[in-house]
Amino acid sequence: ETGVTQSPTHLIKTRGQQVTLRCSSQSGHNTVSWYQQALGQGPQFIFQYYREEENGRGNFPPRFSGLQFPNYSSELNVNALELDDSALYLCASSAAGNTEAFFGQGTRLTVV
Amino acid sequence: AQSVTQPDIHITVSEGASLELRCNYSYGATPYLFWYVQSPGQGLQLLLKYFSGDTLVQGIKGFEAEFKRSQSSFNLRKPSVHWSDAAEYFCALTDSWGKLQFGAGTQVVVTP
Repeated sequence: ETGVTQSPTHLIKTRGQQVTLRCSSQSGHNTVSWYQQALGQGPQFIFQYYREEENGRGNFPPRFSGLQFPNYSSELNVNALELDDSALYLCASSAAGNTEAFFGQGTRLTVV
Repeated sequence: AQSVTQPDIHITVSEGASLELRCNYSYGATPYLFWYVQSPGQGLQLLLKYFSGDTLVQGIKGFEAEFKRSQSSFNLRKPSVHWSDAAEYFCALTDSWGKLQFGAGTQVVVTP
């Protein structure tokens, strides 16, 4: 059984650019959630995908968007990057209706 | 509105001493509650969870937590701390679809 994997582990982008982060869910899980964790803070819920449809969204602007693919892997896209977007982005997968989520190691995004 | 509060930002404990981390929540019904641990630069690892039933739950690494509805609390405890327990600890609650809401975290430092 493979765990949740995220790529890349680190990246640096310039303000105004766009970025795509990727997540492979754990085997058997069809729900993926994304979280943003700024330095020194707890993770904040961005959105969740279930069966390729968005299933809830936190308080994030539309420039944060996502996709889920038929194999349940997922992408997080952020357009028009701002300095405050610098954070650790965490992906978590779970089985539908199951509250237990398993986290990947995260992608550290630095916007300069 | 639901919320999670971890009153202690930072705790220092001697190796071998006991540890208690506080967590208070606000939620309209009985929540699903979790404790996660995060080592530097790493993702989140689930320590334990409470869904219903016995209010004292056992987790991994010798941790336990007690759900107290009357106090809206879910405090984490460990009888004897090891140096490897130094990390950041997050309390979280969720609805039935696993969209986690986290507290701000408690940083635990273990001294020799």
